[in-house]
Amino acid sequence: DVKVTQSSRYLVKRTGEKVFLECVQDMDHENMFWYRQDPGLGLRLIYFSYDVKMKEKGDIPEGYSVSREKKERFSLILESASTNQTSMYLCASTRSLYNSPLHFGNGTRLTVT
Amino acid sequence: DQQVKQNSPSLSVQEGRISILNCDYTNSMFDYFLWYKKYPAEGPTFLISISSIKDKNEDGRFTVFLNKSAKHLSLHIVPSQPGDSAVYFCAASRYNFNKFYFGSGTKLNVKP
Repeated sequence: DVKVTQSSRYLVKRTGEKVFLECVQDMDHENMFWYRQDPGLGLRLIYFSYDVKMKEKGDIPEGYSVSREKKERFSLILESASTNQTSMYLCASTRSLYNSPLHFGNGTRLTVT
Repeated sequence: DQQVKQNSPSLSVQEGRISILNCDYTNSMFDYFLWYKKYPAEGPTFLISISSIKDKNEDGRFTVFLNKSAKHLSLHIVPSQPGDSAVYFCAASRYNFNKFYFGSGTKLNVKP
């Protein structure tokens, strides 16, 4: 079974703080993703990476950056946290971008006060 | 611009009966469709998928139907169990494209 592990289940941060969300997968997947989930909006793609050091913006990249220094690890960075970034953050990976499902981690519930 | 839509935010079904969750999409280029189940405070779990060359795919109690002409897919759960109570997301993607588009989810409540 694919295991995608997010380092924190719950985080509380203050406005303006720099926040790091870490994600590790153990299946040697090339592709990794960061989504956020908000009620009524479904899952929205923030960034994805198709290889080490490669990244592409998703639909809502503003206020975020990412880092992929190793194949198994994909980090999401909130440069200066704001209250509108309070959300559930979901990391996912997949073997292939076609006909292969995303496998998700358990999510990080981030609250910015 | 939401390309995948789940128009029913919630659905309530009696245990043992059929649950039917619906999903519509607008992009005719989509050719791979998935359903995920999500419990509170957990990540989505992959349930079942279907490619556009098929119109039906079954896995145990779960069956996904695809109607390409109507740009519609549905997930049938038979028989429904209380443990099926969760939020269900449909998703779509297409060949040589790097995104999965998700619907907004339908919360299923299966009553004992």
